[in-house]
Amino acid sequence: QLQLQESGPGLVKPSETLSLTCQVSGASISSGSFQWGWIRQPPGKELEWIGTMYYSGTTFKNPSLQRRISMFVDTSKNQFSLKMTSMTAADTAKYYCARLRDAMVTPGRYVRFFDFWGQGIQVTVSS
Amino acid sequence: DIQMTQPPSSLSASVGDKVTITCRASQNISDYLNWYQQKPGKAPKLLIFATSHLQSGVPSRFTGSGTGTDFALTITSLQPEDFATYSCQQTYSTPETFGQGTPVDIK
Repeated sequence: QLQLQESGPGLVKPSETLSLTCQVSGASISSGSFQWGWIRQPPGKELEWIGTMYYSGTTFKNPSLQRRISMFVDTSKNQFSLKMTSMTAADTAKYYCARLRDAMVTPGRYVRFFDFWGQGIQVTVSS
Repeated sequence: DIQMTQPPSSLSASVGDKVTITCRASQNISDYLNWYQQKPGKAPKLLIFATSHLQSGVPSRFTGSGTGTDFALTITSLQPEDFATYSCQQTYSTPETFGQGTPVDIK
């Protein structure tokens, strides 16, 4: 069974850079045509898509965050990472990593969904 | 960005009830709509993708419907383990946005 586990600091100071890692187990991160992504949820608010990437390095980022985020895959460790710069209190949230799957619902037509998620890691931005 | 709205803001029901949770998109998203269930402190769980396709392992009491801008998730006979928050997500265009979630609690 595929499992994902986030790791990183629970507390970040304003203006600092957040670094999170998602360890994937139960399957190779470089198998199949999946994307690997990040989603966050501020307290009391809706989920927010941060971005996804293929293991090859192709990335897709939320335009509202793209100048601040970078994503990496380390196939040797079977993990992927997120860096987010210039953190502010507005970035306080629970951060999830997840697998994005493309599925064909009719010939030639594909849909996307996050089918496996990590448990999430709470990140608080405070001095 | 496409805005996803889930009225009402919460819903109270009893075990055995039929429950319908709605989701509205700010523009036509065809059927590119997913539903997730989330329990406190837990990760979201995929229930339905592409409006009406049941994810493997999800009970058949969950069904999805709709197209265009209006969608619904129906639970035909609410079970104790179904008390949770339900969120919709559109994957029609980037950024792929979520609704604010509808908590279903015990009446």
